[in-house]
Amino acid sequence: DTAVSQTPKYLVTQMGNDKSIKCEQNLGHDTMYWYKQDSKKFLKIMFSYNNKELIINETVPNRFSPKSPDKAHLNLHINSLELGDSAVYFCASSLGYTDTQYFGPGTRLTVL
Amino acid sequence: AQSVTQLGSHVSVSEGALVLLRCNYSSSVPPYLFWYVQYPNQGLQLLLKYTTGATLVKGINGFEAEFKKSETSFHLTKPSAHMSDAAEYFCAVSDSGNTPLVFGKGTRLSVIA
Repeated sequence: DTAVSQTPKYLVTQMGNDKSIKCEQNLGHDTMYWYKQDSKKFLKIMFSYNNKELIINETVPNRFSPKSPDKAHLNLHINSLELGDSAVYFCASSLGYTDTQYFGPGTRLTVL
Repeated sequence: AQSVTQLGSHVSVSEGALVLLRCNYSSSVPPYLFWYVQYPNQGLQLLLKYTTGATLVKGINGFEAEFKKSETSFHLTKPSAHMSDAAEYFCAVSDSGNTPLVFGKGTRLSVIA
């Protein structure tokens, strides 16, 4: 069974479009995250969601918004996509902030 | 706020040689320290972690790391590199249960036959 899953694995779209990436974890964790990894492999945390508390990295544009329909899901919505949004996006989950994070396989987003 | 510095964005070793990946952190309180590995086209997975207790921590695939408070370091080592160790390695630190992990910029390990 996959612990943390993401869909889609690849996403190619045009500038200006709106897209969503879905994330589900079956580990019973209370905390979920979204990360952006650029072409240099730098990993940047975008959001963490813990017991309905959302912590937002202040550098993330407000075109990005996480939505959590329940504890097992944290989806990422992106409005008005830009070329600079091209990257690999990872979802992760953990029991708490000091516990091991389990990562999904990533979604490679390409904006044309 | 905590921070992590990984010295060397790229490290290259010969197969069978010692692997040493350096990580220094800053934290105002006793830290939780992690090493994660990312194989090509995959997500990150935990190699090892330090929370409390023994300062020498053993992880998967023969890796280990030692927490040295006086040096604020958590360097990752493996006695003998294998071709399958080629990957991106990330050090991370958390200083409390109230803030997420902070990751270093990563070190790419290449293993030469």
